[in-house]
Amino acid sequence: LAKTTQPISMDSYEGQEVNITCSHNNIATNDYITWYQQFPSQGPRFIIQGYKTKVTNEVASLFIPADRKSSTLSLPRVSLSDTAVYYCLVGPLDSGTYKYIFGTGTRLKVLA
Amino acid sequence: SAVISQKPSRDICQRGTSLTIQCQVDSQVTMMFWYRQQPGQSLTLIATANQGSEATYESGFVIDKFPISRPNLTFSTLTVSNMSPEDSSIYLCSVTTGPYGYTFGSGTRLTVV
Repeated sequence: LAKTTQPISMDSYEGQEVNITCSHNNIATNDYITWYQQFPSQGPRFIIQGYKTKVTNEVASLFIPADRKSSTLSLPRVSLSDTAVYYCLVGPLDSGTYKYIFGTGTRLKVLA
Repeated sequence: SAVISQKPSRDICQRGTSLTIQCQVDSQVTMMFWYRQQPGQSLTLIATANQGSEATYESGFVIDKFPISRPNLTFSTLTVSNMSPEDSSIYLCSVTTGPYGYTFGSGTRLTVV
């Protein structure tokens, strides 16, 4: 079971780009990296997933270096509504049975 | 991805009583996972529920305290037994379907008084 390490918290201002880095030194060859967002009183929800290099969707970008021992979630031009906890998880894709272990997550606070 | 209906959404319970949380998925899934999230903390896996067999519990969680049922491929329940204030948490069920890792229910916020 891969273990991840993230900063506990970050503050940013509206309109800025936010980069949250996750360390996963023992990632396995068949593991993917998935980021989740959790608002208070809600379950985590999927943001983005990748295996290597760069992935971009309408919400965020995910940068993964060649050694895959870390990844960076990039949120462009954050707004107050992006205030949430962000979790990085690693595990095999579409297994249906894999037990993800959550790390501490990063509590992002966006300020006006 | 799957849609999960979890209920109740919240409850306030007396110590010593039990609460059963239900989780209904709109598609058949192999595994269902139950997590606990204590106030201000990350998610901790309680157990994994496979249809037709006993649930597998993580270290620190036991069947007598958190009995789980999995009668079919779309439904599971978690019971929090003999509750104490330390059981006050959010309880979440989740499944993996398709390529996007977990889908979570909206959670059950339990307060034990």
